[in-house]
Amino acid sequence: DTAVSQTPKYLVTQMGNDKSIKCEQNLGHDTMYWYKQDSKKFLKIMFSYNNKELIINETVPNRFSPKSPDKAHLNLHINSLELGDSAVYFCASSQHTGVQETQYFGPGTRLLVL
Amino acid sequence: AQTVTQSQPEMSVQEAETVTLSCTYDTSESDYYLFWYKQPPSRQMILVIRQEAYKQQNATENRFSVNFQKAAKSFSLKISDSQLGDAAMYFCAYGSNSGGSNYKLTFGKGTLLTVNP
Repeated sequence: DTAVSQTPKYLVTQMGNDKSIKCEQNLGHDTMYWYKQDSKKFLKIMFSYNNKELIINETVPNRFSPKSPDKAHLNLHINSLELGDSAVYFCASSQHTGVQETQYFGPGTRLLVL
Repeated sequence: AQTVTQSQPEMSVQEAETVTLSCTYDTSESDYYLFWYKQPPSRQMILVIRQEAYKQQNATENRFSVNFQKAAKSFSLKISDSQLGDAAMYFCAYGSNSGGSNYKLTFGKGTLLTVNP
């Protein structure tokens, strides 16, 4: 049973395209996150949602738009993809908001923009 | 802003030996949490161990233990009896529910651990 799943696992696309990454968790958690891991393995928070409401929005270009249709899903849509968007994107979830909560990560989506 | 520094980009250890990974952080908060996450080649991020700043006792999880020095803002991870499966990238992370951190985790740049048979 997969706890946090992401689709697709790999995504190769051209500059200027629009793409979406989907995330689902079956843990019954209230809070979900999107992280970006760059080519140097540096991991940084992008967004966090709690019960479908945005609670963390880091300095991320407006081309990135998260959407949470329900608390089990947090999708990431990226418009006008750029070369610098190439990275691994991780979704995560935790029971509640708060850094004391253990975060469970998905397997990551490797995005390559050509 | 909170920062997390891992000064060892790479480390290696012989199987069955002990290795210590270093982490320092900068914060003005008094109540916070520290974590070590492991990322094996499969890319999955896995929580290894966590420490609550208000607890003086160092956290331990089987072969993994930490040396938490609050005054020095140091949080090192000790892996005893290293196994081949411990080979991974290890990330130190800091989080606080107040101030500049505000519910988010800040990660260090990672230490790549190689375990030699």
